Amino acid sequence: GAGVSQSPSNKVTEKGKDVELRCDPISGHTALYWYRQSLGQGLEFLIYFQGNSAPDKSGLPSDRFSAERTGGSVSTLTIQRTQQEDSAVYLCASSIQSGLNNEKLFFGSGTQLSVL
Amino acid sequence: DAKTTQPNSMESNEEEPVHLPCNHSTISGTDYIHWYRQLPSQGPEYVIHGLTSNVNNRMASLAIAEDRKSSTLILHRATLRDAAVYYCILRVSGGSNYKLTFGKGTLLTVNP
Repeated sequence: GAGVSQSPSNKVTEKGKDVELRCDPISGHTALYWYRQSLGQGLEFLIYFQGNSAPDKSGLPSDRFSAERTGGSVSTLTIQRTQQEDSAVYLCASSIQSGLNNEKLFFGSGTQLSVL
Repeated sequence: DAKTTQPNSMESNEEEPVHLPCNHSTISGTDYIHWYRQLPSQGPEYVIHGLTSNVNNRMASLAIAEDRKSSTLILHRATLRDAAVYYCILRVSGGSNYKLTFGKGTLLTVNP
């Protein structure tokens, strides 16, 4: 079956521009996560959506970052006024139901963002 | 947060077994041990998880110490496709347990 799909796979932008990154989770998965991975580093938690609950935005690094999830499915991560330090791979993951500590996350291949 | 410690890198030869260690001395009784791996230019993928008993699946085996303060991911016959970064993660109970903490993991190199 289809996995988590992210688009675009690569995005090059100029400093100060806004970008939108898209994530299509696995159908039926109620939990959706965004992570960021800088070169040579581990994954940094950004934001978490679960069903109709208020998202956990505690990992967003600044107010230039926002995310939404429409209809409980597709999610968009928006970065306004991009800076060079925003350059990273942005990874999306989904899971069937959060709260269970034996469940698995399924990741997309990520969007490589490069801010010039 | 519950924390894990892994070697930065390990090396193996093709078709030989690989034992990837992980220390998690502060683990709590209901924390699950998860392993993920990340192949080049891919997102992480789930490998295996366990609580107390050793676990086997088609990808790997997970050996958990009796005191649960450490675990070992075992690849029985490494292939070139197993070259990846392997992450050992504790999934804690309750609270914000969806916030999985991925450290730098262990970079596994497989030599032909």
